[in-house]
Amino acid sequence: DAGITQSPRHKVTETGTPVTLRCHQTENHRYMYWYRQDPGHGLRLIHYSYGVKDTDKGEVSDGYSVSRSKTEDFLLTLESATSSQTSVYFCAISVKGQNTQYFGPGTRLTVL
Amino acid sequence: GENVEQHPSTLSVQEGDSAVIKCTYSDSASNYFPWYKQELGKRPQLIIDIRSNVGEKKDQRIAVTLNKTAKHFSLHITETQPEDSAVYFCAAIQGGSEKLVFGKGTKLTVNP
Repeated sequence: DAGITQSPRHKVTETGTPVTLRCHQTENHRYMYWYRQDPGHGLRLIHYSYGVKDTDKGEVSDGYSVSRSKTEDFLLTLESATSSQTSVYFCAISVKGQNTQYFGPGTRLTVL
Repeated sequence: GENVEQHPSTLSVQEGDSAVIKCTYSDSASNYFPWYKQELGKRPQLIIDIRSNVGEKKDQRIAVTLNKTAKHFSLHITETQPEDSAVYFCAAIQGGSEKLVFGKGTKLTVNP
């Protein structure tokens, strides 16, 4: 499982509240990613990071921000959650030089 | 940017039959094509991948073929078993980046 954990695993929150999801890895991988998964849409990239404090946007970044202050942690923040952000969120890491990505266990977020 | 189309969206086969899932991509600079299997409620798991310097790769009952000229690649599963039932995703690396773009998935059902 490439040493990836996500927390929380499940969260229910209300519209307008801030939410932060955490991805933690233990193997010092440089690249980390946040995806959301919705029925009929597959996996869509939200943001990714290519090093500490180095991040960039993916295809569905509106309404999300990220931070990476240390190699092992990549945080995804919803500043003001909306019902359209109800989804399953997966973190992934990329093994250097291989392009291969491995996924964390996922976080199921429900925004009421 | 890269665009990946995946077909069919659902596939039902009898146990022992073969299953084929096809994907097309748009970025001629793409050079890495992984396939993931996702069981219900679980994370996507890498099952096989192929790079653009080869045309075919096999691993026991699964194989992937790549046609760079036509920009399409396919997953072949032979002698299907009920435990092959899952959603399968293809992906392509966006040229010059470490970002994967995913197809929307194929739900494979293997009937006993």
